[in-house]
Amino acid sequence: DAGVIQSPRHEVTEMGQEVTLRCKPISGHNSLFWYRQTMMRGLELLIYFNNNVPIDDSGMPEDRFSAKMPNASFSTLKIQPSEPRDSAVYFCASSFTRAETQYFGPGTRLLVL
Amino acid sequence: KQEVTQIPAALSVPEGENLVLNCSFTDSAIYNLQWFRQDPGKGLTSLLLIQSSQREQTSGRLNASLDKSSGRSTLYIAASQPGDSATYLCAVISGNTGKLIFGQGTTLQVKP
Repeated sequence: DAGVIQSPRHEVTEMGQEVTLRCKPISGHNSLFWYRQTMMRGLELLIYFNNNVPIDDSGMPEDRFSAKMPNASFSTLKIQPSEPRDSAVYFCASSFTRAETQYFGPGTRLLVL
Repeated sequence: KQEVTQIPAALSVPEGENLVLNCSFTDSAIYNLQWFRQDPGKGLTSLLLIQSSQREQTSGRLNASLDKSSGRSTLYIAASQPGDSATYLCAVISGNTGKLIFGQGTTLQVKP
């Protein structure tokens, strides 16, 4: 298996623009997680899905952030409008069930100018 | 609210040394504990997962222990190598929610 796939790997955008991050989980995994990593706050869970259904989005910082999982093989994290403080590395992870080993993608490095 | 702390934040050792990384958590009602490795600019790689009913897990030169009652876990690395240089992250799941709560990590440097 190719592992968790994320795109783009790097994104540079200007404040106010819409940003869409994409994730393809490992085939057969039922749980998908979106994390954000910054120097100041470390790794934080933003939202996770179980069987394509959002279970807990309490980590989503603001209404500017939204996430979808239209099917078992694809998820998006959207930021609209983006702000400089959104600059971070965004990771997607998946697991067979929500309490088993999570496998992380390589991340998307986002820079908002 | 579950909090995870890792000490030390950074560690530098000579090659061949055995070392211990520490992780503590405030709420002992965890479902499992996981240790990850992160190389600079890369994603996380799962190293070991310890279920709440287990005391330890081993993989090669790595051994992780869990003491729920005291809220502590250790990651033991035997015969360290320069390739072990990375940041090591500890994370716990409280209940079976799947929400991983991460520590800030210990950055390890193994000098040749």
